[in-house]
Amino acid sequence: GAGVSQTPSNKVTEKGKYVELRCDPISGHTALYWYRQSLGQGPEFLIYFQGTGAADDSGLPNDRFFAVRPEGSVSTLKIQRTERGDSAVYLCASSRAGTYTGELFFGEGSRLTVL
Amino acid sequence: AQSVAQPEDQVNVAEGNPLTVKCTYSVSGNPYLFWYVQYPNRGLQFLLKYITGDNLVKGSYGFEAEFNKSQTSFHLKKPSALVSDSALYFCAVRDGGFKTIFGAGTRLFVKA
Repeated sequence: GAGVSQTPSNKVTEKGKYVELRCDPISGHTALYWYRQSLGQGPEFLIYFQGTGAADDSGLPNDRFFAVRPEGSVSTLKIQRTERGDSAVYLCASSRAGTYTGELFFGEGSRLTVL
Repeated sequence: AQSVAQPEDQVNVAEGNPLTVKCTYSVSGNPYLFWYVQYPNRGLQFLLKYITGDNLVKGSYGFEAEFNKSQTSFHLKKPSALVSDSALYFCAVRDGGFKTIFGAGTRLFVKA
C-alpha cells in the first residue's frame, strides 16, 4: 500500500508480558516517528529515527521501551514487562528525508490494552 | 522546550457558519506549525502548515490558518462549516528540530 502500515491494529496482553509493535513507513521516507496517544490526549512523542539510527529517543518513558529500525525501513517498538499504564494507541509516522518542514504521514495505530 | 495549547476541548458550530479552532504555541526559535485532523477510527491526517511567508495559509478541505507571531497563535478557520468536518483537530509545532509536539486536541462538532 501507499500509506504507513502498522501491525497489529489491536493487541491485548497481560501485565508483565512482552509486546512488539511494527511499523512499515511510506517507501522512500527516511524519517520515522513513534508516538503514544492516550484517551482524550494528543499524541505524545516517543522516538525519532533518521535512517537506521535513533536521532532522538527523549520521549521514551523508561527503559522498558525500546525501538529499532535495523535496515532503515521497518521499525519495531518493543515494550518489556508491560504495565496497565502502557495501554494506549501507539502511532507511527514517517516523513520525507531530513527536513524540518515536512509534514508527518501517520498510520492508523496499534491499540495496546494491558490487562 | 516547545509546547502547544488548545484552549477549547470542544467547539460547536452550525453547518454553514464559520468556524475557528484556537491554538497558541511556545518555541525558542522559529516555529513550524501544523494542523492535523483525526476522524473516528482513522489515523491523523495532515491539513496544512506554516513554514514561512504569508501569514494566511490554505490547506485541505477548504481549511485555512492564520499565523500571528505577536500573539504566538495559529488558529484554524473555515468560512463555512460542513457536518463532515466534525472530527478531532490537533495543532502541532516544531522548532527547527525534528521533534513535533502536539496539542491535546479540540473536538469540532458541526450541527446540521
